[in-house]
Amino acid sequence: EVQLVESGGGLVQAGRSLRVSCTASGFNFGDYAMSWLRQAPGKGLEWVGFIKSRTYGATTEYAASVEGRFTISRDDSKSIAYLQLNSLKTEDTAVYYCGRVPRPNKYYFNYWGRGTLVTVSS
Amino acid sequence: QSALTQPPSASGSPGQSVTISCTGTSSDVGGYNYVSWYQQHPGKAPKLMIYEVTKRPSGVPDRFSGSKSGNTASLTVSGLQAEDEADYYCSSYAGSDSVVFGGGTKLTVL
Repeated sequence: EVQLVESGGGLVQAGRSLRVSCTASGFNFGDYAMSWLRQAPGKGLEWVGFIKSRTYGATTEYAASVEGRFTISRDDSKSIAYLQLNSLKTEDTAVYYCGRVPRPNKYYFNYWGRGTLVTVSS
Repeated sequence: QSALTQPPSASGSPGQSVTISCTGTSSDVGGYNYVSWYQQHPGKAPKLMIYEVTKRPSGVPDRFSGSKSGNTASLTVSGLQAEDEADYYCSSYAGSDSVVFGGGTKLTVL
């Protein structure tokens, strides 16, 4: 059974950093691109970024709203995807989800974790 | 990228059909067949309901169907059931390995 479990969320001050993790199980993690998405309280979903599989160079892409502040990485030996959040702003407060991309060059997410809440205080 | 445009709410009675629209541009919805739809119940993670405009993942009832015309995609839920009451989000590939979502539609089963 495919499972994605996010962790590492919490309360952090604006301007500081935080790293959240997505631990995967039930599939060969290294074969899949992974994505991070977020949802601010009471708001809609927002795509944050992708990391492709190592076969495709483990390249990353980011939404304009987080480009230069957030970094996605992966450790295939541990089946974990990371999201490093730097220079946090209050508007980054959200539940952060990881999602699995089903195949290369596909742009939807067929499995999601339950999310981890990041709260940025002023 | 700008968010896709969805109506904030939709409703229907049990057994009826309801259609939710998702309007973008030729740079996203109209330019690619990569529209997907997600269902989200309160406090839960989103669930993929439709991908690549019309395709249903295994386990999703055939009451859910997707379509696209020009820059507007649509999700139709036929034979509405109480458990279909949820928020629905569309998303689309927007070029350069990026994805854009709609603002979401709250579906109420009357």
